[in-house]
Amino acid sequence: QKEVEQNSGPLSVPEGAIASLNCTYSDRGSQSFFWYRQYSGKSPELIMFIYSNGDKEDGRFTAQLNKASQYVSLLIRDSQPSDSATYLCAVNTGNQFYFGTGTSLTVIP
Amino acid sequence: DTEVTQTPKHLVMGMTNKKSLKCEQHMGHRAMYWYKQKAKKPPELMFVYSYEKLSINESVPSRFSPECPNSSLLNLHLHALQPEDSALYLCASSQQNSGTGGNQPQHFGDGTRLSIL
Repeated sequence: QKEVEQNSGPLSVPEGAIASLNCTYSDRGSQSFFWYRQYSGKSPELIMFIYSNGDKEDGRFTAQLNKASQYVSLLIRDSQPSDSATYLCAVNTGNQFYFGTGTSLTVIP
Repeated sequence: DTEVTQTPKHLVMGMTNKKSLKCEQHMGHRAMYWYKQKAKKPPELMFVYSYEKLSINESVPSRFSPECPNSSLLNLHLHALQPEDSALYLCASSQQNSGTGGNQPQHFGDGTRLSIL
C-alpha cells in the first residue's frame, strides 16, 4: 500500500466551477498535510497546509482534514484556467515527507 | 522568485564527469532536502539533513554524495552518473517544529534540470 494516494485524473472542470481534489494516507501518525501546485517543468509551489481536523480556508482554496478517515482534500472555488496544473498531496511524519502521485487538473475556459 | 536558490538551472554532463549541484536558503530553516523528479512523477526523496546532519538517505546510489557545509547551504556531488539519472533535482527546506516532530511546509527551489549524455 502506498503511503499517500491520489486519483491521477485528469480532472476537468469548467471555468468558475469548484474543483475537488482528494488524498488518502496510510500512516495514522502523520502530523502535517500539504497541497502543492506544480506547473509543467516547474518546481512544486505550496498552496495550503493543515495540521488539525476540519477546514482551513485561504482565498479560493479550502483544505479539509479528517484524521479518523485518513483523508485530506483541497477545494478550489471559482476555478480559473491558470489553476490548470498538477496538484500534489504531501504528508509528513517526523522528517519524512511522502508525496502522492499528483492529480492533473484542467480548467476549461 | 523562490527563497531557495538552486544552481545551476540546467546541467549537461557526460557519464565520466564530476559536477556539483548547489542549494542555498536564508530563511533560517534547519531541515534541508534533496529530491529527484522524473517527468510526470512525484518528487522522490533522496536525502534529508537536519541541523546539518544527514538524517535520511533513501538508499541512494553512492554516485550521489550530499554535503551540508552549514545551515544555509546544501550540495549534491555527482560522479559517474548514468543516463537514467537524468531528471529534475529539487532542493527544499523547512523549519522543524520541536517536541511533536512535525514539520512546517517545505519550500522548494526552482530545481536543476540534469541531462546525462
